[in-house]
Amino acid sequence: QQKVQQSPESLIVPEGGMASLNCTSSDRNVDYFWWYRQHSGKSPKMLMSIFSNGEKEEGRFTVHLNKASLHTSLHIRDSQPSDSALYLCAAPANSGTYQRFGTGTKLQVVP
Amino acid sequence: EAAVTQSPRSKVAVTGGKVTLSCHQTNNHDYMYWYRQDTGHGLRLIHYSYVADSTEKGDIPDGYKASRPSQENFSLILELASLSQTAVYFCASSDRDWGVYEQYFGPGTRLTVL
Repeated sequence: QQKVQQSPESLIVPEGGMASLNCTSSDRNVDYFWWYRQHSGKSPKMLMSIFSNGEKEEGRFTVHLNKASLHTSLHIRDSQPSDSALYLCAAPANSGTYQRFGTGTKLQVVP
Repeated sequence: EAAVTQSPRSKVAVTGGKVTLSCHQTNNHDYMYWYRQDTGHGLRLIHYSYVADSTEKGDIPDGYKASRPSQENFSLILELASLSQTAVYFCASSDRDWGVYEQYFGPGTRLTVL
């Protein structure tokens, strides 16, 4: 079965710093990903999706996709304490019928 | 914004008892999903449905049944609850637009099986 692996498991960055999160899929047919953010005690909300090779930027958030290596990364610049959350990566599964999630990266931004 | 509600928001059940978790969406979405979340496991898909009166197995369907009586409603049924089913359960919906494919999640139900 396809695995979606995220690293690191947890990350602490100083306020104003850069956070970098990684995600890979074991399924060679996967060529797009989603990133979700889940604050403590809340439900996940989609942050960004990426469907083509390269980079996509939305405000302080940038997502990279390398289809050849089945790897995506999320970068948060000028990190804020409000960015502290669990970040989940998802890849298409079962021929794109649903999304399969990784175990997440817990980000803590400290003042 | 898309709306997904779940009931109950929390529940304590006894081992061997029957539990029904309910989900309602007002988004007019075709697809609905049930996930469970445990520490260290992210979100794992239990069952999903893309049309009323039909359900499909996800990655971890054992011990769970699902029911989709209408486009708006999707239930998860634990016929014989077990300790290992203690978790937070999320329902989600999405539309058919593959280019968008954003899932909207409900607030979750915290289930404790004693």
